[in-house]
Amino acid sequence: KQEVTQIPAALSVPEGENLVLNCSFTDSAIYNLQWFRQDPGKGLTSLLLIQSSQREQTSGRLNASLDKSSGRSTLYIAASQPGDSATYLCAVKELGNLIFGKGTKLSVKP
Amino acid sequence: GAVVSQHPSRVICKSGTSVKIECRSLDFQATTMFWYRQFPKKSLMLMATSNEGSKATYEQGVEKDKFLINHASLTLSTLTVTSAHPEDSSFYICSASGTGHTEAFFGQGTRLTVV
Repeated sequence: KQEVTQIPAALSVPEGENLVLNCSFTDSAIYNLQWFRQDPGKGLTSLLLIQSSQREQTSGRLNASLDKSSGRSTLYIAASQPGDSATYLCAVKELGNLIFGKGTKLSVKP
Repeated sequence: GAVVSQHPSRVICKSGTSVKIECRSLDFQATTMFWYRQFPKKSLMLMATSNEGSKATYEQGVEKDKFLINHASLTLSTLTVTSAHPEDSSFYICSASGTGHTEAFFGQGTRLTVV
């Protein structure tokens, strides 16, 4: 059974820092991996999607990598801003289904 | 990215009543829709998967008679919480995807409070 783990569960950093969020999964037979952002009481906003054949994806200050063989993905956020404060979720897609981690709650202090 | 609209965003209902939540894909045909429930400080829990025109597939432990899912068209799926009880209070989120193993897009979520 696929399990997705995100470390750390919470992270607080000063504005301007570069940071890395980690995601690991137990079964490498995935179709893709997605990183989401969730603001309190809101739905999920898709940030980056990495297909199983890809190694990384970039969007603005965000860079996500995928090492399928080792079951790991990282989300790199450059020059963090207070507006980046949110919970970040990673999810792996198996046959027709997304399996989520519990998320990393990020707080960026001004 | 594609837009998925979920309505209502917040609902309060009395115990014993039923509540319907709608999930619409606004600019693409959603062949598959997913319904999730999110508990505080927990990951999203998949409740059921629905394919247009067919019956939903429920995850183990989810009561199909309590959580009625209808996916009658390629742009609309509904979740009806029947005879709601306070323990059904939660955050419900829908997701939609097109054909193939494509990106999943999520609605804004619905905060259900049963009093």
